[in-house]
Amino acid sequence: DIVLTQSPLSLSVTPGEPASISCRSSQSLLHSNGYYHLDWYLQKPGQPPQLLIYLGSNRASGVPDRFTGSVSGTDFTLKISRVEAEDVGVYYCVQLLQTPLTFGGGTKVEIK
Amino acid sequence: QVQLQQSGPGLVKPSQTLSLTCAISGDSVSSSTSAWNWIRQSPSGGLEWLGRTYYRSTWYSDYAVSVKGRITINPDTSKNHFSLQLNSVTPEDTAVYYCARGGHFDYWGQGTLVTVSS
Repeated sequence: DIVLTQSPLSLSVTPGEPASISCRSSQSLLHSNGYYHLDWYLQKPGQPPQLLIYLGSNRASGVPDRFTGSVSGTDFTLKISRVEAEDVGVYYCVQLLQTPLTFGGGTKVEIK
Repeated sequence: QVQLQQSGPGLVKPSQTLSLTCAISGDSVSSSTSAWNWIRQSPSGGLEWLGRTYYRSTWYSDYAVSVKGRITINPDTSKNHFSLQLNSVTPEDTAVYYCARGGHFDYWGQGTLVTVSS
């Protein structure tokens, strides 16, 4: 199985400041179609996860442009340029390259 | 707009079968571009993909190894829904269960807390 390791476990951020979350994969997620099959999700309290970024770096519909996904080899990064109060919750990465589909352990973001 | 509506009991006895249904509106369970997934979230918060069903000229199903042999995910084209059956449950199967549309999990059901307890 592909293992995704997220860091840090938690993050406390001042509103307006940037934040960065890492997701490291145990193997390449590069598909033969040229895309990296990793998505990012945000789970707000009491809600199911919502899609933020798909295929490594593409923002889902309606996602603010302060969210950016990037890839370097097997390292994936989600950056929030200026954290807002509505960004609190747990962020997960998930790999969709091969079954079983697997999730990272999550990164909890809170506001200072 | 795609909507997924889950239904099923919130309490199941050990050794019995957990059964949930996910009703689809705004898409078709027979879509050749979607897959229909079940995912659960343990009380500690971790997310676990359980399996999926999808149609690509014929029906396919994939399952997580952790539940293989106990799990069945079935489409029902007449009702446009898909179901989860998990046999021989134990307290370790207590979780919030979600259905979600894939490739990318862009639409989710509301979640069902299933407690396995006598």
